[in-house]
Amino acid sequence: DQQVKQNSPSLSVQEGRISILNCDYTNSMFDYFLWYKKYPAEGPTFLISISSIKDKNEDGRFTVFLNKSAKHLSLHIVPSQPGDSAVYFCAASARNQGGKLIFGQGTELSVKP
Amino acid sequence: DSGVTQTPKHLITATGQRVTLRCSPRSGDLSVYWYQQSLDQGLQFLIQYYNGEERAKGNILERFSAQQFPDLHSELNLSSLELGDSALYFCASSVDPGGASMEGYTFGSGTRLTVV
Repeated sequence: DQQVKQNSPSLSVQEGRISILNCDYTNSMFDYFLWYKKYPAEGPTFLISISSIKDKNEDGRFTVFLNKSAKHLSLHIVPSQPGDSAVYFCAASARNQGGKLIFGQGTELSVKP
Repeated sequence: DSGVTQTPKHLITATGQRVTLRCSPRSGDLSVYWYQQSLDQGLQFLIQYYNGEERAKGNILERFSAQQFPDLHSELNLSSLELGDSALYFCASSVDPGGASMEGYTFGSGTRLTVV
């Protein structure tokens, strides 16, 4: 049962344009939603998060949007830079279900100069 | 450097063998989590320990086991290895025993296991 899904395995964007990465979930009990970024040969690193009581959180070039009614999460990167090229994982957790992070399959973002 | 240390970085072993992966959590973190990432798969949760005790279990095979020691480092033991066990194994740590927070976990750089 895949509770967190990233349906796009890859995304290619031109430098300077917006990158939009999407994530869908099925568990309405999730309290926190997080995005992680992963470079080859490294572990995932935390990027940005949002709690279920908010619908938007911004940190510099990164903004996460949460649509609870649609059970949909998205990450916007504006403007995209070549250094943003990496695999992005969305993850979610529910405090009353043990709190462990459930990850999506990842989307590989390629930002071309 | 995330502060979470995993050894070894690479491991090549034969089918049927047993290996031990080691993880030292970030200083001050009491929870350790193990995840498996196979080809084209997301990060699959295996098991969590908090302050030496098993806290949560995911899709961990019976051939796999883990423990957390008094100094808080953790070991993941994989036995009777099969070709399909080839994967990246990540360890992560957090302060919060429940794990659910805005900060999430801090991950190590992983151990790449290849079973031949």
